[in-house]
Amino acid sequence: EVQLVESGGGLVQSGGSLRLSCAASGFTFSSYSMNWVRQAPGKGLEWVSYISSSSSTIYYADSVKGRFTIFRDNGKNSLFLQMNSLRAEDTAVYYCARDRDFDNWGQGTLVTVSS
Amino acid sequence: EIVMTQSPATLSVSPGERATLSCRASQSVSNNLAWYQQKPGQAPRLLINGASTRATGIPARFSGSGSGTEFTLTISSLQSEDFAVYYCQQYNNWPPGTFGQGTKVEIK
Repeated sequence: EVQLVESGGGLVQSGGSLRLSCAASGFTFSSYSMNWVRQAPGKGLEWVSYISSSSSTIYYADSVKGRFTIFRDNGKNSLFLQMNSLRAEDTAVYYCARDRDFDNWGQGTLVTVSS
Repeated sequence: EIVMTQSPATLSVSPGERATLSCRASQSVSNNLAWYQQKPGQAPRLLINGASTRATGIPARFSGSGSGTEFTLTISSLQSEDFAVYYCQQYNNWPPGTFGQGTKVEIK
């Protein structure tokens, strides 16, 4: 069974940093691209970042470019999102999701940025 | 960036009735379109990809159709567990994989 478990969320002040993690199991992690998707309270879904299986291709939404960094450790079946210079508008539940059609999602981790 | 527009924003349906949800792309996305279901407090779940292929474990009452710019998700006979928010998403022009704003299916 595919499992994705996010962690690392919490309350941080504006301008601060957080690192999110996504632990993967139940599939060959190194064979799949991965994404981060977020959802602000009461709002819809927003794709944040994508990383290919080998880390050779990386994309970011314009709203986070230059502030967030996605990376992965295939040896540890883990995906990460380093978030710097956080803003109030980054407040959201952050999900990791597998592949370009997001066929599996984690349960999410809440990031709250206080101004 | 491709804009995905869903309609209606809210759909009121009685259990056992048919629900039809629409999704329109601002330009062609071929059949690279997915539908997701999200219940309160839960992560989204993939229902349909390739515009019409049900994901593993998804009941046959869910069906998707369309290509190019016009897409439809049909729930043939609504069950109590189907009341949720549904999102479409294109993955033809990547990045970004843009989502629609969602359609809430509520009990009439």
